[in-house]
Amino acid sequence: QKEVEQNSGPLSVPEGAIASLNCTYSDRGSQSFFWYRQYSGKSPELIMFIYSNGDKEDGRFTAQLNKASQYVSLLIRDSQPSDSATYLCAVWGNTPLVFGKGTRLSVIA
Amino acid sequence: ETGVTQSPTHLIKTRGQQVTLRCSSQSGHNTVSWYQQALGQGPQFIFQYYREEENGRGNFPPRFSGLQFPNYSSELNVNALELDDSALYLCASSLDPDGEQFFGPGTRLTVL
Repeated sequence: QKEVEQNSGPLSVPEGAIASLNCTYSDRGSQSFFWYRQYSGKSPELIMFIYSNGDKEDGRFTAQLNKASQYVSLLIRDSQPSDSATYLCAVWGNTPLVFGKGTRLSVIA
Repeated sequence: ETGVTQSPTHLIKTRGQQVTLRCSSQSGHNTVSWYQQALGQGPQFIFQYYREEENGRGNFPPRFSGLQFPNYSSELNVNALELDDSALYLCASSLDPDGEQFFGPGTRLTVL
C-alpha cells in the first residue's frame, strides 16, 4: 500500500512568517511530487511540483525534495492570511496520484 | 481555453439509489481521472480513462464504474449507494496519463 503521510495540523503561523509543511512517502519508486492548495469547499489547485532532489523556488514558495529520506517539504515565505488553506502533498510513481490527508495552515493576521 | 467542468455541483441521494456524475475535460486533454475526497481526507484515486479505455483503477468496488466518450468527457456511475459514499467527487483532466492534472470544481454527493 503506497502511503503519503502529512501532519494534519492545524499549523498556525503569524502573518509574515515562514510556514513549513512536511510530507513523507513510502514508495521509493515515486518520481514526481506535487503540492496542492485546497480552500474549504473547493477543489485542489496545483501550486508546486518537483522531480529532482534539492530545492525549487517559485515566488514565495519553495519545494524541497530528498529522495533518500523519502521526504518532501513546502516552505511559504512571508505568509499571508490568504494562504490559510489545506495543503495536500501528492506523489506520482507508476500509478496515478496518491495524496496525503493534507495539513491545515492558518495564518494569523 | 475552457477548464474542467463538472455537473451537478451538489446532489442528494438515498441509500440504494444510483447516481451519475459528469465531467468535461479541458480542451486538448485526452485523459480523465476521478477521485473521491471524504471530509477531512485527501483525494483517493478511483480510476482513470485514457482515449475511452480504463487505464488504471484504485481500491474501489465494482459498483463504481465509468465511461469516457469520443470527445473525452467522462461519467462516473455509482450503484447501490451507501452512506460512506458521501464525499466530494473530483475529476481531473490531463494531456496524457502521466501529465499534470487539472481539477474540476467537484460534485458534492450526500447520501442519506
